[in-house]
Amino acid sequence: EVQLVESGGGLVKPGGSLRLSCAASGFTFSGYGMNWVRLTAGKGLEWLSSISSSSSYIYYTDSVKGRFTISRDNAKNSLYLQMNSLRAADTAVYYCARVESGSSSEYFQYWGQGTLVTVSS
Amino acid sequence: DIQMTQSPSSLSASVGDRVTITCRASQSISRYLNWYQQKPGKAPNLLIYAASSLQSGVPSRFSGSGSGTDFTLSISSLQPEDFATYYCQQSYTIPRTFGPGTKVDI
Repeated sequence: EVQLVESGGGLVKPGGSLRLSCAASGFTFSGYGMNWVRLTAGKGLEWLSSISSSSSYIYYTDSVKGRFTISRDNAKNSLYLQMNSLRAADTAVYYCARVESGSSSEYFQYWGQGTLVTVSS
Repeated sequence: DIQMTQSPSSLSASVGDRVTITCRASQSISRYLNWYQQKPGKAPNLLIYAASSLQSGVPSRFSGSGSGTDFTLSISSLQPEDFATYYCQQSYTIPRTFGPGTKVDI
């Protein structure tokens, strides 16, 4: 059974840092691209970042570029999101999601349960 | 970036109703369009991928159609468990953008 379990969320002050982790099990982690997506009260779902299976390709949305860093450790079956210079607008539930790719499609079938990040003084 | 819009932003319907949600992309995305359902406190659940392919295990009352810039998600006969927010998402280009969501109240 595919499982993705996020951890590392919590309360942090503006300007602070946090590192989220996503532990994967039930599949060959090194064979899949992974993504981070967040859910905010005001904006709904927002795609943040993706990383290819071998970390060769990494992408970010503009709102987190230069502040967030995605990485993975295939030996530990883990995905990470290092978040620096956090702002109140980063308050959200953060999800990791596995990429499924077809000949003319790409979608997120498996998601973690989410971890809440609250940025407040 | 490709902007995704959805209409309506919310709707109220009764059990048994047919419901249609529209998603529009700011430029052509071929059929690289997915639909997700999200309930409060839960992770998003994939319903439809590649515009019209029903994800395994998803009830057949859900269907998707469209290509290019205009897409629809239809629920043929609304059930009480369909109370949720529905999001479209394009996977044509980076950044992968979601629509703002459509909240369905029963």
